[in-house]
Amino acid sequence: AQSVTQLDSQVPVFEEAPVELRCNYSSSVSVYLFWYVQYPNQGLQLLLKYLSGSTLVKGINGFEAEFNKSQTSFHLRKPSVHISDTAEYFCAVRIKAAGNKLTFGGGTRVLVKP
Amino acid sequence: DVKVTQSSRYLVKRTGEKVFLECVQDMDHENMFWYRQDPGLGLRLIYFSYDVKMKEKGDIPEGYSVSREKKERFSLILESASTNQTSMYLCASTDSYTDTQYFGPGTRLTVL
Repeated sequence: AQSVTQLDSQVPVFEEAPVELRCNYSSSVSVYLFWYVQYPNQGLQLLLKYLSGSTLVKGINGFEAEFNKSQTSFHLRKPSVHISDTAEYFCAVRIKAAGNKLTFGGGTRVLVKP
Repeated sequence: DVKVTQSSRYLVKRTGEKVFLECVQDMDHENMFWYRQDPGLGLRLIYFSYDVKMKEKGDIPEGYSVSREKKERFSLILESASTNQTSMYLCASTDSYTDTQYFGPGTRLTVL
């Protein structure tokens, strides 16, 4: 079975500073990778996904993530955060050819301070 | 825009009550999912459905059942609510072509 570990449960960061959220996964088969964001009192929405091709994936709101197969990682980065980026971020994996079922990590809460 | 709606944002029930959580999507998606979200545990899959009248157990199905009589509607049922089912419940549907899950706003259920 696959699993996802988000190494930081909370990340405080100052406005306009860079942020990196770490995600590692384990799986015996090939996977697709996703980052979702949950703003306060809302459901989740897709930030970006890696299905194939370039290992550097760009998403919405200036976020990007890099797939590293040898390290089984998919870390999320943003070079300069805004107050509006305060949210919880979830990494997720899906086994290829196994339907649309996602396995989520525990989430990382980002608090952007002025 | 895809819209996934859930019947209630907040719900308070008593131990032993039967609870229905309803989810409706308006994009003709075949796949629908129910998750529960707990702090530090992320989202855990309860049940999912690939088509009308079809259902499959997720990772934590115990104490729950589901119903999918129409394509757009997926219901989660707690047959006899217990305090350990106090949680945030999220419904989602998937666009298989773009591999994107769309989530509802969630129902925060408290069982007293």
